[in-house]
Amino acid sequence: QVQLQESGPGLVKPSQTLSLTCTVSGDSISSAAYYWSWVRQRPGKGLEWIGHIYHSGTTFYNPSLKSRLNISLDASKNQFSLNLASVTAADTAVYSCARIFAYGQAYFDSWGQGTLVTVSS
Amino acid sequence: SYVLTQPPSLSVTQGQTARITCGGNDIRSESVHWYQQRPGQAPVLVVHDDSDRPSGIPERFSGSNSGNMATLTISRVEAGDEADYYCQVWHDYSDHPVFGGGTTLTVL
Repeated sequence: QVQLQESGPGLVKPSQTLSLTCTVSGDSISSAAYYWSWVRQRPGKGLEWIGHIYHSGTTFYNPSLKSRLNISLDASKNQFSLNLASVTAADTAVYSCARIFAYGQAYFDSWGQGTLVTVSS
Repeated sequence: SYVLTQPPSLSVTQGQTARITCGGNDIRSESVHWYQQRPGQAPVLVVHDDSDRPSGIPERFSGSNSGNMATLTISRVEAGDEADYYCQVWHDYSDHPVFGGGTTLTVL
């Protein structure tokens, strides 16, 4: 059974870069059947797709975040990462990594527990 | 961009049936997926491709999709069903996932 675990700082200063890593166990991020994604949830709000990456390294980003966003993967560590630059208080949220079943009309079949990132000086 | 509309809240008496709707333009042409998120927990997929249940999800959870509305039906609602529920599609035009705004289910 696949497991995903987010790690990274819980506090980031405004204008700095938010960096998180998702470690995957029980599956290989080199699998062609899945995308590996980031989703966030601002306090009291719904789910917001951030972006995802395919095993080839191809990335897909939310247009509203694209200019500040970079998602990458490290197959040797079975990890993928999120970097969101120039953060503001509006980026305070619970950030979750998730696996997307990539065939047909894709859906999120496994999620990490999520990690709260607060943007504050 | 494609928009999915859910009612913000729904209250149902324990033992009754909850029907959570997800509206979208010609949504019947999409495959709709549903997630349950209990307070403080990660989302869990409860229905995919309109009406398929992942293993481990009770038969009380079912889905349907027609016209401009998809529906998640929870039969014999239990206290443990109290959660936020989100619908999601992968709209071809957008080429990325789209979530509904979520519905908070309260069990009375």
